[in-house]
Amino acid sequence: QQQVKQSPQSLIVQKGGISIINCAYENTAFDYFPWYQQFPGKGPALLIAIRPDVSEKKEGRFTISFNKSAKQFSLHIMDSQPGDSATYFCAATDISGNTPLVFGKGTRLSVIA
Amino acid sequence: DTAVSQTPKYLVTQMGNDKSIKCEQNLGHDTMYWYKQDSKKFLKIMFSYNNKELIINETVPNRFSPKSPDKAHLNLHINSLELGDSAVYFCASSQDPGLAYTDTQYFGPGTRLTVL
Repeated sequence: QQQVKQSPQSLIVQKGGISIINCAYENTAFDYFPWYQQFPGKGPALLIAIRPDVSEKKEGRFTISFNKSAKQFSLHIMDSQPGDSATYFCAATDISGNTPLVFGKGTRLSVIA
Repeated sequence: DTAVSQTPKYLVTQMGNDKSIKCEQNLGHDTMYWYKQDSKKFLKIMFSYNNKELIINETVPNRFSPKSPDKAHLNLHINSLELGDSAVYFCASSQDPGLAYTDTQYFGPGTRLTVL
């Protein structure tokens, strides 16, 4: 059973465009939603995270939008750059610590000039 | 000054062999993890250790045995390797045991295991 569904599997965006990756979760106990970025040959690294007490969190060009009622959250990358080309993973867990991080299947983003 | 390091980076071996992957973190974290990333990039937790004690053991065959000699090290030993064990294995660590899964996890560079 896949607890976090991520789409699209791959994404090609023009330089300067907006990249949007979507995730949906099933477990209503989830209350912490991080995004990890992974470059080829490297381990994932935390990019940005959100708790459900806010509907949006922005850090530089990266924004998480969160819709608690729909159990969905998304990552928006504004002014996408070739250096943003990587695989992005959404994840979810509960802060009580009962559930380890559950990752989505990843989105391979390619930003082309 | 690498935060989380793993050795070896690549491991090629025959079916049936036993192998180990080592992980060390110099971040002073109390919690360490092993993840498996398959060929489709799916990332799944295998084990979690807090201060040398096992706290999570997801549905992993008992051929996989983690060993934590101290809180800075978490090694992964795999017995009787099978073709399906081929994957990239990531070690990770985080600081706060009470909030282990919400605390930022720092991943190592990965070990690509290929079983022939």
